[in-house]
Amino acid sequence: EAGVVQSPRYKIIEKKQPVAFWCNPISGHNTLYWYRQNLGQGPELLIRYENEEAVDDSQLPKDRFSAERLKGVDSTLKIQPAELGDSAVYLCASSLKGSAEAFFGQGTRLTVV
Amino acid sequence: GESVGLHLPTLSVQEGDNSIINCAYSNSASDYFIWYKQESGKGPQFIIDIRSNMDKRQGQRVTVLLNKTVKHLSLQIAATQPGDSAVYFCAENWDSGAGSYQLTFGKGTKLSVIP
Repeated sequence: EAGVVQSPRYKIIEKKQPVAFWCNPISGHNTLYWYRQNLGQGPELLIRYENEEAVDDSQLPKDRFSAERLKGVDSTLKIQPAELGDSAVYLCASSLKGSAEAFFGQGTRLTVV
Repeated sequence: GESVGLHLPTLSVQEGDNSIINCAYSNSASDYFIWYKQESGKGPQFIIDIRSNMDKRQGQRVTVLLNKTVKHLSLQIAATQPGDSAVYFCAENWDSGAGSYQLTFGKGTKLSVIP
């Protein structure tokens, strides 16, 4: 069974440009998480979905970040416009409803120059 | 919570020795505590978890201890191998309603195994 798939693996963009990340969770997983991980730190939650509903987006910088999970499966995280401080690894994870175990993708490493 | 500092605590152990990685948590309402292993360039990988009503759980070469009195969690790795070299994170998981889990990570520890 395929794990959580993210693309692209790496992205380099100039500041003020838009960027989007895509995540395909494990089949059947209702819960989907987007995390941001800065160098040398632990992952920090940006948004959590239950099916297509965003149940926790309190840490998402809504002035420039947006996310969607149409049909409750794949998800896209967008930044527009990107800033230098957005350089980080963006991780997607998924879990079954009622399960405490979350499975992570390999992440997208974003570099804003 | 917001992470502080840019430098991970580090632990160096000799191959074959036992490793103990410690973590302090903050939310006394957490239902589960989880240890994740993150290798360079990869996402975190689940190692072992423990329910809040337990104080010890063993897996293959790993043991997690939970002390709720002092809000402390530890991961013990027996006979540490070079492949164990990675960053280890503890995470708190609690049911925020109807089986929807909130997962929050603590600061990591970088484990280096000396051959």
